[in-house]
Amino acid sequence: DTAVSQTPKYLVTQMGNDKSIKCEQNLGHDTMYWYKQDSKKFLKIMFSYNNKELIINETVPNRFSPKSPDKAHLNLHINSLELGDSAVYFCASSQGPGRKNIQYFGAGTRLSVL
Amino acid sequence: DAKTTQPTSMDCAEGRAANLPCNHSTISGNEYVYWYRQIHSQGPQYIIHGLKNNETNEMASLIITEDRKSSTLILPHATLRDTAVYYCIVRAQGAQKLVFGQGTRLTINP
Repeated sequence: DTAVSQTPKYLVTQMGNDKSIKCEQNLGHDTMYWYKQDSKKFLKIMFSYNNKELIINETVPNRFSPKSPDKAHLNLHINSLELGDSAVYFCASSQGPGRKNIQYFGAGTRLSVL
Repeated sequence: DAKTTQPTSMDCAEGRAANLPCNHSTISGNEYVYWYRQIHSQGPQYIIHGLKNNETNEMASLIITEDRKSSTLILPHATLRDTAVYYCIVRAQGAQKLVFGQGTRLTINP
């Protein structure tokens, strides 16, 4: 009964491939996020969706396409993977904007592009 | 969002109080101070947040100076499981994203 779950936990793939990471939250939250943590351990937001609508896109290359089939799911599809895409990707969710906008994070997906 | 400055690393003995400082001298009136931590190989975890009053919950206490230009996160009785990177984040009410800095790597020693 994990609150925010991501699959897979590890993903190893070749350059040029297309891959997806799935995220689901069972907290009833309206807003979901994708963050990227690079090799230097800096965490940066990539996307945010509120009720299936994109509200934040932090100048991420268009090879990255988030998809939200419903407000409990936010999947991340990556086309034409590059070496620089190797990182840990975290999904998060929150109730939405407002004073207590506490974000709950998944355990992360470690992507290695060879 | 206002910028925050934290020490790169700190050590604390197990069982003692761990006091983690954060400077946010450019904080504005509607910005809250949030603390998250990231234990190795896990996702970030919310700890506590506050606006101007001191706050306490089951995990920690947050002390914010009267001028709100700095704050201290206190873990009253640190355990080995508190070893993590602690992030101090300033965020306006209603803002969506969290902007993470480098954080403080806290090591609890036996």
